[in-house]
Amino acid sequence: DTGVSQNPRHKITKRGQNVTFRCDPISEHNRLYWYRQTLGQGPEFLTYFQNEAQLEKSRLLSDRFSAERPKGSFSTLEIQRTEQGDSAMYLCASSLGQGPDTQYFGPGTRLTVL
Amino acid sequence: AQSVTQLGSHVSVSEGALVLLRCNYSSSVPPYLFWYVQYPNQGLQLLLKYTSAATLVKGINGFEAEFKKSETSFHLTKPSAHMSDAAEYFCAVSWAGNNRLAFGKGNQVVVIP
Repeated sequence: DTGVSQNPRHKITKRGQNVTFRCDPISEHNRLYWYRQTLGQGPEFLTYFQNEAQLEKSRLLSDRFSAERPKGSFSTLEIQRTEQGDSAMYLCASSLGQGPDTQYFGPGTRLTVL
Repeated sequence: AQSVTQLGSHVSVSEGALVLLRCNYSSSVPPYLFWYVQYPNQGLQLLLKYTSAATLVKGINGFEAEFKKSETSFHLTKPSAHMSDAAEYFCAVSWAGNNRLAFGKGNQVVVIP
């Protein structure tokens, strides 16, 4: 049973650069979620997909952020023109998509913007 | 606004002593409730969840939590702490028709030998 995987695990970039993260969910899971976690805080919801459809976006997701799940399998999260405030752990989770189902989390991608 | 409160960011407990982590939520509608654990350099792992069945929920690693509607609480307990319980613990809530999880700020548990 392979869990949720995320790549890269760490990313260091300079302010103003674009970065893209990838999430591979558990294979039979229909729902995919992105969260952001900063130091000393719990994860905060960013967006989620039901298959390939992006159904909800948080107000935290500024215009510089875009997420896709083109074939309903893996997802990418892109941040354009990164800012130091974007430094955080970006978490991906997936779930079967039935009722109050359990979300299974990946190990996260830690972004550092210099 | 609906929110989740976890008090005391750092919790120290002696090995063999009771572990008690408090979680309160604000909502007039009973939510679904979860406790997750996060070990260093690992993703969040589900400990247990409440979804309107039995109010006392048993989870992995000897943890359990009790849903108390009148107190809007879902406190996590373990009778006897083990060194391997040192980790960060998050309470999370979701509401019917809303798939997002709202997390508390977390409790960093330190187990003292």
